[in-house]
Amino acid sequence: EAGVVQSPRYKIIEKKQPVAFWCNPISGHNTLYWYLQNLGQGPELLIRYENEEAVDDSQLPKDRFSAERLKGVDSTLKIQPAELGDSAVYLCASSLAGNNEQFFGPGTRLTVL
Amino acid sequence: DQQVKQNSPSLSVQEGRISILNCDYTNSMFDYFLWYKKYPAEGPTFLISISSIKDKNEDGRFTVFLNKSAKHLSLHIVPSQPGDSAVYFCAASAASGTYKYIFGTGTRLKVLA
Repeated sequence: EAGVVQSPRYKIIEKKQPVAFWCNPISGHNTLYWYLQNLGQGPELLIRYENEEAVDDSQLPKDRFSAERLKGVDSTLKIQPAELGDSAVYLCASSLAGNNEQFFGPGTRLTVL
Repeated sequence: DQQVKQNSPSLSVQEGRISILNCDYTNSMFDYFLWYKKYPAEGPTFLISISSIKDKNEDGRFTVFLNKSAKHLSLHIVPSQPGDSAVYFCAASAASGTYKYIFGTGTRLKVLA
């Protein structure tokens, strides 16, 4: 069974540029999460989807970050414009509805210069 | 305010000996706890979990102990193997059903051959 797929794996951009990350969850997993992981820290939840609906986006900085999960499968996380402090690893995870175990993708490492 | 704390950033253990990784939490509403293992350039992978109705859960070489009165959990790995060398994150969630994890900052375990 394929795991959570994320692309790109690495991205380097200049500050003020836009950037987008893509996630394909495990087939059949209705719940999808985006996390931010800064160096030396644990992952922090940005947004959680149940199917197409964003049920928890309280930690998403909405002035520059946006996310969508059209059709309740793949998801895209966007930052516009990127700032130096956005340099981090962006992790996507998925789980079955009603299940506590989350499966993580390999992450996208973003470097903002 | 760090609700989940892993106070040891790193730990070195000889192969074959026991590894003990510790985690403390402050929120008494947490009722489910998990340990994740992370190798470089990969996403975290689920290792073992425990519900607050239990004080111990065992899976092969891995045992998690929960002390609710002390708000403390620990992960025991015995015997430790070189392949166990990774960063270990503990995570906690409150109000089962929301599946919102709060992660600790991680402990880097190095098992010496």
